[in-house]
Amino acid sequence: NAGVTQTPKFQVLKTGQSMTLQCAQDMNHNSMYWYRQDPGMGLRLIYYSASEGTTDKGEVPNGYNVSRLNKREFSLRLESAAPSQTSVYFCASSGGRQSSGANVLTFGAGSRLTVL
Amino acid sequence: QKEVEQNSGPLSVPEGAIASLNCTYSDRGSQSFFWYRQYSGKSPELIMSIYSNGDKEDGRFTAQLNKASQYVSLLIRDSQPSDSATYLCAVGDNNNDMRFGAGTRLTVKP
Repeated sequence: NAGVTQTPKFQVLKTGQSMTLQCAQDMNHNSMYWYRQDPGMGLRLIYYSASEGTTDKGEVPNGYNVSRLNKREFSLRLESAAPSQTSVYFCASSGGRQSSGANVLTFGAGSRLTVL
Repeated sequence: QKEVEQNSGPLSVPEGAIASLNCTYSDRGSQSFFWYRQYSGKSPELIMSIYSNGDKEDGRFTAQLNKASQYVSLLIRDSQPSDSATYLCAVGDNNNDMRFGAGTRLTVKP
């Protein structure tokens, strides 16, 4: 049981380049999330998807787009990377509020992105 | 704006002592409350979840929730050096929006 899988683990981009972070979960969870973590800032919610077919903005959505491709996969795209997007990105999933243990998050291992 | 506030610390306690971590939140519609532990360079992992007012105990950990005061806390009894980590408070609403505090760094000294 792999849980939540994120790729890539590390990436270096130049300013203006684009890239997509991939996330997949095999727990049949309804809800999926993308967070970024910067030193001293905790986890900040970028986007989330409460269920397949829906996406909503979080605290810091500017400069990002997401796609909930199916129930398993939720991707995060940076269209034109900026140095301010240098961060560690975490994908997470949860069963959702209708499940037992509502909203308990399972995290991926994280993706470290550096934008030069 | 949905805000979750924690003292950033660092909090330092001697081995065997009680560590007390606090969190406040701004959204009165919040439904679910969590404490996660994060070791340096690792992903957060769930320590406790709590959904109703009062105390919830699990081994050495006790979570306390007071919705009227918009306050949630975590007590760690008999603290061990292995408890040294950053503790993240998380709050969820009815739409599965989950927000985190900045975290409190705890150091347990042998």
